[in-house]
Amino acid sequence: LAKTTQPISMDSYEGQEVNITCSHNNIATNDYITWYQQFPSQGPRFIIQGYKTKVTNEVASLFIPADRKSSTLSLPRVSLSDTAVYYCLVGPNYGGATNKLIFGTGTLLAVQP
Amino acid sequence: GAVVSQHPSRVICKSGTSVKIECRSLDFQATTMFWYRQFPKKSLMLMATSNEGSKATYEQGVEKDKFLINHASLTLSTLTVTSAHPEDSSFYICSASPGAQDTQYFGPGTRLTVL
Repeated sequence: LAKTTQPISMDSYEGQEVNITCSHNNIATNDYITWYQQFPSQGPRFIIQGYKTKVTNEVASLFIPADRKSSTLSLPRVSLSDTAVYYCLVGPNYGGATNKLIFGTGTLLAVQP
Repeated sequence: GAVVSQHPSRVICKSGTSVKIECRSLDFQATTMFWYRQFPKKSLMLMATSNEGSKATYEQGVEKDKFLINHASLTLSTLTVTSAHPEDSSFYICSASPGAQDTQYFGPGTRLTVL
């Protein structure tokens, strides 16, 4: 499974756009990139997933360059409630029913008023 | 989306006792579930893969005799921490996916405190 590297922490203010970059130099051809959000004392929550180029949903966008060696999670106009740890994971088949997920250190995003 | 539940949400027990944690997939069947452990301010660490109808697969360094996993049905996996000690105090989380092309969904976690 490809190893991922993220910043340990990031600070932001309410209303700003936040971009969290994840490096995954050893990503394999059949690997997908998935981001999860975790609040204290809760299980991780799926945010977004992609394979290449750009993916957007109601909460975030995911930018993946052509070489797929990195990806950027973009959170538009963050609020205090977006303060959480964000994990970038790389693995085959969407994570899937039989594919175990290996979590890295994650990025603690602190949003201030 | 798919829902995974855990019970209990928190448990406090005395050292030497055993504790059972349940993980259920509420609206889908899961032949495979995963168990993680998370210490304060640390990332999730995969403990084992729970397989319905067969033995669990444990990650390196995880004692299979201490952390007993039973996947009795397609919607239920249990993790039993046997002879618990204070160092087993942690946040235990399970996950499951409806299918091979679906993302994994996590339970809300169980906080175990061993006195």
